[in-house]
Amino acid sequence: NAGVTQTPKFQVLKTGQSMTLQCAQDMNHNSMYWYRQDPGMGLRLIYYSASEGTTDKGEVPNGYNVSRLNKREFSLRLESAAPSQTSVYFCASTLRGGRTDTQYFGPGTRLTVL
Amino acid sequence: DQQVKQNSPSLSVQEGRISILNCDYTNSMFDYFLWYKKYPAEGPTFLISISSIKDKNEDGRFTVFLNKSAKHLSLHIVPSQPGDSAVYFCAAYSGGGADGLTFGKGTHLIIQP
Repeated sequence: NAGVTQTPKFQVLKTGQSMTLQCAQDMNHNSMYWYRQDPGMGLRLIYYSASEGTTDKGEVPNGYNVSRLNKREFSLRLESAAPSQTSVYFCASTLRGGRTDTQYFGPGTRLTVL
Repeated sequence: DQQVKQNSPSLSVQEGRISILNCDYTNSMFDYFLWYKKYPAEGPTFLISISSIKDKNEDGRFTVFLNKSAKHLSLHIVPSQPGDSAVYFCAAYSGGGADGLTFGKGTHLIIQP
């Protein structure tokens, strides 16, 4: 079991470029999440998918889009990257999305936008 | 408006002693709380949790205490070990929980030999 995997690990973009961050889980989890972590800050929720076929905005969704491709995969897209999107991005998943479920996190993608 | 607050950015504790990490929250809708541990260049890993119907939960060296009236929780690590050096995040769920966690800013715990 690989758990939650994220690609790429590192990425440097220029302002205005686009890219997609990939996330996959092999735990047969229903709910998946994207968070960002900025220096000195906690993780903030960008988007989440409670189950396959559904997505919802979190606390900081502006500038991002998501796709729940299938039960395993949940991608995050930056259409036109901005320096304010420089951050570390974490994907997470839980079995049912209920509050007693543990969220399992991937190793993160470190993104720099110049 | 920060709903989960960890007011100590860092904490230094001697090996073998007790580490106490604190967390305050403002949203009375929060009903489930978790602590995550994070090493550099890794994702957060779950440590321990507590439901709002309890005031204490223990797992080995880790104990979490919840004081609902004060909207305060704390994580106790006894005894502290070098491998405990990490950033610790307090997080909370409200309602059904499918809409993700609200995190504090984290406390960097340093265990000194």
